[in-house]
Amino acid sequence: GNSVTQMEGPVTLSEEAFLTINCTYTATGYPSLFWYVQYPGEGLQLLLKATKADDKGSNKGFEATYRKETTSFHLEKGSVQVSDSAVYFCALSANEKLTFGTGTRLTIIP
Amino acid sequence: DAGVIQSPRHEVTEMGQEVTLRCKPISGHNSLFWYRQTMMRGLELLIYFNNNVPIDDSGMPEDRFSAKMPNASFSTLKIQPSEPRDSAVYFCASSTRDRLGAFFGQGTRLTVV
Repeated sequence: GNSVTQMEGPVTLSEEAFLTINCTYTATGYPSLFWYVQYPGEGLQLLLKATKADDKGSNKGFEATYRKETTSFHLEKGSVQVSDSAVYFCALSANEKLTFGTGTRLTIIP
Repeated sequence: DAGVIQSPRHEVTEMGQEVTLRCKPISGHNSLFWYRQTMMRGLELLIYFNNNVPIDDSGMPEDRFSAKMPNASFSTLKIQPSEPRDSAVYFCASSTRDRLGAFFGQGTRLTVV
């Protein structure tokens, strides 16, 4: 079956540091890939997406590239802010069914 | 668009009582998902519907859980009887067929005492 594996947290960084959260997937066919963000007490928000190999999704300074050869979709941001503190989920969609990773808690300290 | 609307936002109930969670998906979305989130198990897909028809309910934990979607604008998740281990945040999400991702509601925080 389909599955998503993402780097375990928690991750703690200083403000303006470079961020990478690793995500790899297993799927049959050609899934779409997503990153979602969850702020405390809220639902998941779609952060960015990529629907085919070599696509780069980007939003709010975050980026991720769909790498079919390594089955990866790592999340990156060049300079994080305190407001980026949240839980980040990698997900894939195949046949309209979303499969999520376990989430990575990110804390940014001033 | 108001987004996915869930009610209630918080529910506290006694063990053995029936609980009904409600969801209104985004207009025009034809897929609807119910998820449960806990610290121990993370985010679990319980059931999803396509065009109001249940497609995959393999994540429903046991017969105490049931879900319905009587029309394109409304779905319910019912737990009867409720147990303390059902305490969690329950999310509803909806999407279209265009592979562009699902949109989540704010969730219902359920506490069973």
